[in-house]
Amino acid sequence: GAGVSQSPSNKVTEKGKDVELRCDPISGHTALYWYRQSLGQGLEFLIYFQGNSAPDKSGLPSDRFSAERTGGSVSTLTIQRTQQEDSAVYLCASSLLGLAVSDEQFFGPGTRLTVL
Amino acid sequence: AQKVTQAQTEISVVEKEDVTLDCVYETRDTTYYLFWYKQPPSGELVFLIRRNSFDEQNEISGRYSWNFQKSTSSFNFTITASQVVDSAVYFCAPRSGNTPLVFGKGTRLSVIA
Repeated sequence: GAGVSQSPSNKVTEKGKDVELRCDPISGHTALYWYRQSLGQGLEFLIYFQGNSAPDKSGLPSDRFSAERTGGSVSTLTIQRTQQEDSAVYLCASSLLGLAVSDEQFFGPGTRLTVL
Repeated sequence: AQKVTQAQTEISVVEKEDVTLDCVYETRDTTYYLFWYKQPPSGELVFLIRRNSFDEQNEISGRYSWNFQKSTSSFNFTITASQVVDSAVYFCAPRSGNTPLVFGKGTRLSVIA
């Protein structure tokens, strides 16, 4: 079956512009996660959606970052007024149940964002 | 809160050598899971293994094995007879409750032919 897909695969933008990154999770997966991976760094948690519950936004680095998940499926991560330090690979993952601590997360290929 | 330390930033081995990737974690929870993920050059993270905190039995799966020592909070991962295709960044990540995975900074493994 289809895995997690993300678009675009690459995004180059100018400082100060807004960008939207899209994630299509695996069909039927109730949980969706966004992570950020800066060059040479590990994965930094950003936000987590679980079913219809309010998202866990504790990892968002500033109020320029926001995300929504429509219809319990597709998610969009929006970064407003991009800064050069926002340059990173943004990874999306989904899992079947989310609440189960043993739940395996399936990752998408990521979107590489470059802010000039 | 959880914390993960992968002290080895980069490791290089020659093909067919065995290699162990270290992971030390911190958690206040008594029930948790530990995961290893692999990130090949293509960039997509791939799930490798998971272990729950109640099961310290070490396991072997093909060329992979793992050593979970709860007393020292370590969850090490060994690849035997390494191959060039094993070259990747490997991440250790604990998880407890309804929380996201906490990833370490990863260990970059290079297997040289």
